[in-house]
Amino acid sequence: GAVVSQHPSRVICKSGTSVKIECRSLDFQATTMFWYRQFPKQSLMLMATSNEGSKATYEQGVEKDKFLINHASLTLSTLTVTSAHPEDSSFYICSARSPSGRFNEQFFGPGTRLTVL
Amino acid sequence: GQQLNQSPQSMFIQEGEDVSMNCTSSSIFNTWLWYKQDPGEGPVLLIALYKAGELTSNGRLTAQFGITRKDSFLNISASIPSDVGIYFCAGQLGPSGSARQLTFGSGTQLTVLP
Repeated sequence: GAVVSQHPSRVICKSGTSVKIECRSLDFQATTMFWYRQFPKQSLMLMATSNEGSKATYEQGVEKDKFLINHASLTLSTLTVTSAHPEDSSFYICSARSPSGRFNEQFFGPGTRLTVL
Repeated sequence: GQQLNQSPQSMFIQEGEDVSMNCTSSSIFNTWLWYKQDPGEGPVLLIALYKAGELTSNGRLTAQFGITRKDSFLNISASIPSDVGIYFCAGQLGPSGSARQLTFGSGTQLTVLP
């Protein structure tokens, strides 16, 4: 099956710093990747759709200047949390749509646990 | 964003018992998906359903796409300890544009007691 990796798996940072999270599709090319946020004991909430070579599409209520998304290649999308604050602490998960599967198969990365002190 | 109504929220069952959970939506989806998430991990796809009325199995798991396209259920037979985790349903409208986005249910936390 298609494999999606994320790096780092967990990060702890001080308030006010910026954190970059990478999402890679390891064995396929993904023109579209998705970024989700998940708070403890809650479901996954879509933050934005990352499109290779163009601007990301953000969901309502998600600040695009705070959560910078770059999809520079067909195998890599990055999410940068700028000037992170404790309320940004969460589990961030990316997914990528595999072109070889049915159109609705999204494969998820293992997630990144962000803790902002 | 919109969420699906998933129930039950949590279940405690004895090893060997069967499990059933379901999702309902006020709007139609053209694809229903069921995922399992282990602690600290991303969701893993269990079953994908593409047609109304479709019944699909994956080992001890069986899922059905409701005929109204507004609901789906997942059954797990003869549960084992490794079935523990959070199960999410997800609906999708279509293959392109914003329709590709997944709408997730609120999750069912499954605990299997020995």
